[in-house]
Amino acid sequence: QVTLKESGPVLVKPTETLTLTCTVAGFSLNNAGMGVTWIRQPPGKALEWLAHIFSNDDKSYTQRLRDRLNISKDTSRSQVLLAMTNMDPVDTGTYYCARVSYSLGSYNVDSWGQGTLVSVSS
Amino acid sequence: QPVLTQSSSASASLGSSVTLTCSLSSGHSNYIIAWHQQQPGKAPRYLMKHEGSGAYNRGSGVPDRFSVSRSGADRYLTISNVQSEDEADYYCETWDKFWVFGGGTRLTVL
Repeated sequence: QVTLKESGPVLVKPTETLTLTCTVAGFSLNNAGMGVTWIRQPPGKALEWLAHIFSNDDKSYTQRLRDRLNISKDTSRSQVLLAMTNMDPVDTGTYYCARVSYSLGSYNVDSWGQGTLVSVSS
Repeated sequence: QPVLTQSSSASASLGSSVTLTCSLSSGHSNYIIAWHQQQPGKAPRYLMKHEGSGAYNRGSGVPDRFSVSRSGADRYLTISNVQSEDEADYYCETWDKFWVFGGGTRLTVL
């Protein structure tokens, strides 16, 4: 059974760096054709993709937040980390990690974590 | 970069059928999408991947009441025999070097 679980601080101050951890089970971060992606959702708003790490360690970031994001993985611990610098109150929301798998020529999300709510406030 | 357009809201009576639409932007009409359901207060749930001829890789436990179809650049998610637990936000998602989500459709069950 595939599971993903996010962990990290509930509250961060403006200008601080947020670091989130996604711990996965039921698949390996080295599985070809699979990867882990981070998605966030401000309260009452739509989903927004942030960053992705492939099995070969290639990385991809959303253009508008590229200079604030860093994604990495620790395969031995089955963990994917996301760091977001210079946090602002507009970054408040629920952060999800999700598994992405490749089929039919496309990478798509096929499993979600439960999400972790992050508030940015002084 | 593809853009996915969804109606903001839809409604359906209990036991009826409803079709939700996800429209791909010009030049991206053949892209594969995935559908996700987000019930109130919960994390999204993967429903299925939608390739040209039908559903692919249906998520665990997703009932057959959920089906997909296509017309050109439009992708449809049809829910038959709508149940109260189907009241949720529905998102479509695609990939083209980056991941893109539609704005979501909020389905209200009357």
